[in-house]
Amino acid sequence: AQSVTQLDSQVPVFEEAPVELRCNYSSSVSVYLFWYVQYPNQGLQLLLKYLSGSTLVKGINGFEAEFNKSQTSFHLRKPSVHISDTAEYFCAVSLNAGGTSYGKLTFGQGTILTVHP
Amino acid sequence: ETGVTQSPTHLIKTRGQQVTLRCSSQSGHNTVSWYQQALGQGPQFIFQYYREEENGRGNFPPRFSGLQFPNYSSELNVNALELDDSALYLCASSIRTGSYEQYFGPGTRLTVT
Repeated sequence: AQSVTQLDSQVPVFEEAPVELRCNYSSSVSVYLFWYVQYPNQGLQLLLKYLSGSTLVKGINGFEAEFNKSQTSFHLRKPSVHISDTAEYFCAVSLNAGGTSYGKLTFGQGTILTVHP
Repeated sequence: ETGVTQSPTHLIKTRGQQVTLRCSSQSGHNTVSWYQQALGQGPQFIFQYYREEENGRGNFPPRFSGLQFPNYSSELNVNALELDDSALYLCASSIRTGSYEQYFGPGTRLTVT
């Protein structure tokens, strides 16, 4: 079975500073990787995904993430954060397989990013 | 293009009761997944429906059941509610293509007392 570990439960940062949210995963088979954002009292919104190809993926709102297969990591980064980036961020994996594995996401525990003025 | 909607937004039930939560998928999406998100936790996969058939299930007991209708709307039913069922229930719809993109609804907050 696959699992996801988000190494920081809370990350406080000042506005315009860079940020990195860390994610490690464990799986015996190849996986697809995702980052979602959840604003208070809302559902999840996809920030970016890695399916194949370039290990550096760019997403919405200036976020990017790098897939590192040897370290089984998929850390999320943003060079300069805004107050509006305050939210909870979830890393998720899905097995790289069709059939009944399609689209089933295993999520990490979440990282609360708080951007201070 | 309409988004994914869920109803109701909130509800309160008593232990032992039954509840039905509803999800209206994004137009043209034939796959719906349901997740349970307990407070302070990440979402956990309950089950998925594809073309009205259950297509995989997470580690949830049989008292969690579902339906998907021909218009691809969906229901999640929970029988014999327990206090630990209190959570945010999210549905996500997708087209089942190589994009693997799923679109989440805003969720239903269930409180069991």
